[in-house]
Amino acid sequence: SAVISQKPSRDICQRGTSLTIQCQVDSQVTMMFWYRQQPGQSLTLIATANQGSEATYESGFVIDKFPISRPNLTFSTLTVSNMSPEDSSIYLCSVGYRGSGNTIYFGEGSWLTVV
Amino acid sequence: DAKTTQPPSMDCAEGRAANLPCNHSTISGNEYVYWYRQIHSQGPQYIIHGLKNNETNEMASLIITEDRKSSTLILPHATLRDTAVYYCIVRVRGDSSYKLIFGSGTRLLVRP
Repeated sequence: SAVISQKPSRDICQRGTSLTIQCQVDSQVTMMFWYRQQPGQSLTLIATANQGSEATYESGFVIDKFPISRPNLTFSTLTVSNMSPEDSSIYLCSVGYRGSGNTIYFGEGSWLTVV
Repeated sequence: DAKTTQPPSMDCAEGRAANLPCNHSTISGNEYVYWYRQIHSQGPQYIIHGLKNNETNEMASLIITEDRKSSTLILPHATLRDTAVYYCIVRVRGDSSYKLIFGSGTRLLVRP
C-alpha cells in the first residue's frame, strides 16, 4: 500500500482566508482524489485530481472554491478558498494504482477548523 | 450508480464473529463491492473487495450472494480495536478514474 502524507495535519484558520493542503505519496500513483468529511458525517468526494490538467469536480464543488493542483504522479494540493465556518471539516487525500485490484488508499486527513 | 444500504449501528461481543450486512440491489455486472472502515480520527482503511466470489484475507471475509444484490463482511474474532464505522461501497467507474462514493456506513461497537 502507499504511504500518504498530508500537511497540515491540523489547523485553525480565520474566516475569509484560504488554506492549501498538501498530499505527498511515496510512490507514483495513477489516481488521486480529495474528500471532505464534515463533523459527524460520512466522506464526500470533492474531485479527482488529474495530472497535468484541470481536476474533475463532483456536483456541488467548484474550482473557485476548491482549486486543485497535481503537477506530477506523487503530489497534489487542495486549496480551500475564502473559508467560512461551514468549511470546518477533515479533508482527505486518497490515491490508487491501476492494477492491484484498483484499491484506493487514504491519508490520515487534515483537520480544519474555521473560526 | 449502485447505492448501498447498511444498518446504522451494530454491536457484538469481543471474541465473537461480527457479521456486517450490506444491500446493493442495483449493482451492475462490472461493479465491485469494497469494504473500508474508519476508526475515530483516522483515515479510512481498506479491508477487502470482491466481484462475485467470496474473498478472504488476513482481516476479514467477504461473502457475496449469488445474485450479487447483497454481501456480508465477517470479522471472525472481533476485538475492541475493531470498533469503527464500516463502509460498504460499490465502486463507480467513471471516465478513466475509479471513484469511491461513501454511504453512511455501520457503526460497529465491540463490547468487552
